[in-house]
Amino acid sequence: NAGVTQTPKFQVLKTGQSMTLQCAQDMNHNSMYWYRQDPGMGLRLIYYSASEGTTDKGEVPNGYNVSRLNKREFSLRLESAAPSQTSVYFCASRQGITEAFFGQGTRLTVV
Amino acid sequence: KQEVTQIPAALSVPEGENLVLNCSFTDSAIYNLQWFRQDPGKGLTSLLLIQSSQREQTSGRLNASLDKSSGRSTLYIAASQPGDSATYLCAVRGAGKSTFGDGTTLTVKP
Repeated sequence: NAGVTQTPKFQVLKTGQSMTLQCAQDMNHNSMYWYRQDPGMGLRLIYYSASEGTTDKGEVPNGYNVSRLNKREFSLRLESAAPSQTSVYFCASRQGITEAFFGQGTRLTVV
Repeated sequence: KQEVTQIPAALSVPEGENLVLNCSFTDSAIYNLQWFRQDPGKGLTSLLLIQSSQREQTSGRLNASLDKSSGRSTLYIAASQPGDSATYLCAVRGAGKSTFGDGTTLTVKP
């Protein structure tokens, strides 16, 4: 049982480049989330999807877009990367108000 | 706006000691509270989930309590081991979203 799988694990981008972070869960959860984790800032919600076909902004959505491709997959896209987007990105999923499960993270550096 | 605080930010104890980690929150209108463990460079691993109607949950050497009215939760770790060294985060689930604390970094010395 893989749980929540994120790809890639590491990425270095140049300012202005674009990329998509992939997330897939195999637990049949309705809700999926993207967070970023920065030192001293804790975990902050970027976007979430309460169910297939819906997405909503979180606390820090600027500079990002998301796609809920199907029930399993939720991708995060950076259209024009900026150094301020250097962070560790986590995908999570849950069903209703049950436990949330997290992926192993993507460490992104924008130079 | 919900605010979640974890004190202390760091804690160092000798192996074998029992310890308590604290989590406080400002808005008692919550669905549940979840404790996580995060090892360096890794993702968050769920430890315990307490629903708002529950007072405590236990898993092995871990026991988490919840007092909604006072806005507090504690994570009790019995007979600590070096392998327990990690950052422990609590997350409060309210309407629409979860709010995370900044975590307590625990070091258990052999």
